[in-house]
Amino acid sequence: AQSVTQLGSHVSVSEGALVLLRCNYSSSVPPYLFWYVQYPNQGLQLLLKYTTGATLVKGINGFEAEFKKSETSFHLTKPSAHMSDAAEYFCAVSEMAHGQNFVFGPGTRLSVLP
Amino acid sequence: GAGVSQSPRYKVAKRGQDVALRCDPISGHVSLFWYQQALGQGPEFLTYFQNEAQLDKSGLPSDRFFAERPEGSVSTLKIQRTQQEDSAVYLCASSRTTRTASSGANVLTFGAGSRLTVL
Repeated sequence: AQSVTQLGSHVSVSEGALVLLRCNYSSSVPPYLFWYVQYPNQGLQLLLKYTTGATLVKGINGFEAEFKKSETSFHLTKPSAHMSDAAEYFCAVSEMAHGQNFVFGPGTRLSVLP
Repeated sequence: GAGVSQSPRYKVAKRGQDVALRCDPISGHVSLFWYQQALGQGPEFLTYFQNEAQLDKSGLPSDRFFAERPEGSVSTLKIQRTQQEDSAVYLCASSRTTRTASSGANVLTFGAGSRLTVL
């Protein structure tokens, strides 16, 4: 069985500061990992995904994440937060490359302070 | 259409009422998923359609939940005799390929969801 934990249900950063959202997973098979963002009253939007190959994955809006197998982690980072980054972020794990058997984490709400 | 459309966006039901939630996937998308997102939680899988066939309904929480996609496009999620614990956002997602396709480029496109509140 697969599962995802996201440390911190709410993270606040100042505009321009580093964003770090944590994700740890468990999986009995090599995982495929995803980050989704959800803006208020909108659907989930894919930020980035790791399937195979390079463990540092770059996504949209300046976000990136690094797959660390030894730590079973896939933390999301962005060097400089922007006000528009305020949203809910979900980490998900799947046993399929295209990620259609998702198990989502509980989410982390990111607030960006002026 | 350009995206996945869900209606109604908001639904308030009295306990015991039946509700129907509609999903219009992207035209031509083969796969369609329903997820339930309770307040403060991540989405949880409910059911999966490949065209008109419901191939996986393992996530439906009870026999009060029923989903259909009779012509392989629009899908309806029906909840009978609603209970307060059914209050959640119901998300629909679609994708171009089947669930087991090996394409790494395929992703799910989510709708904005239908927020159900049961009083």
